[in-house]
Amino acid sequence: GESVGLHLPTLSVQEGDNSIINCAYSNSASDYFIWYKQESGKGPQFIIDIRSNMDKRQGQRVTVLLNKTVKHLSLQIAATQPGDSAVYFCAEIAYNQGGKLIFGQGTELSVKP
Amino acid sequence: ETGVTQSPTHLIKTRGQQVTLRCSSQSGHNTVSWYQQALGQGPQFIFQYYREEENGRGNFPPRFSGLQFPNYSSELNVNALELDDSALYLCASSRQPISGNTIYFGEGSWLTVV
Repeated sequence: GESVGLHLPTLSVQEGDNSIINCAYSNSASDYFIWYKQESGKGPQFIIDIRSNMDKRQGQRVTVLLNKTVKHLSLQIAATQPGDSAVYFCAEIAYNQGGKLIFGQGTELSVKP
Repeated sequence: ETGVTQSPTHLIKTRGQQVTLRCSSQSGHNTVSWYQQALGQGPQFIFQYYREEENGRGNFPPRFSGLQFPNYSSELNVNALELDDSALYLCASSRQPISGNTIYFGEGSWLTVV
């Protein structure tokens, strides 16, 4: 069935360290992936996206890597800051189903000062 | 801010009651999607409206229904509330074609069913 899942439910890092959040997906036809950040009491906020014709995409302090062979993507956050503490979700846009988002379970990132 | 507003922000209902949640989409957006997010889970797609027509539905029973108005705002209605309906209900607005950076979420409506 359709699913986008995460390897770890929680991740704790020291301020200034790099963070890596992982995500696995099951649909080999998946074409477009998004990482969201959700802070407590707020809706998901777009961080970065990547299409299946790319292996890597960089943003400000964030990098997304896509490995289509093993159906895995990761979000790397450089120099993690306390403001990065949140739950991070990977999601897929299912264009063949009207463009709905299929979310994973989420990883809670905790940054220790 | 995303420009997507939802109301009410919090509400408590009794099992068996009905609830209506509202969403005002961002200006220029003609597509609205609703998601249910249980505590500790990722959001689950309920349905989507494009130009006032439902054009996609997730695995939710018919007691979950919706509307989109000519100004592209939207309502989510849930009848015969059950305890498991307790969740954060998120509205997302976007324009076509949908892409990651054109989907904007509201801050959600927290529904507690007792």
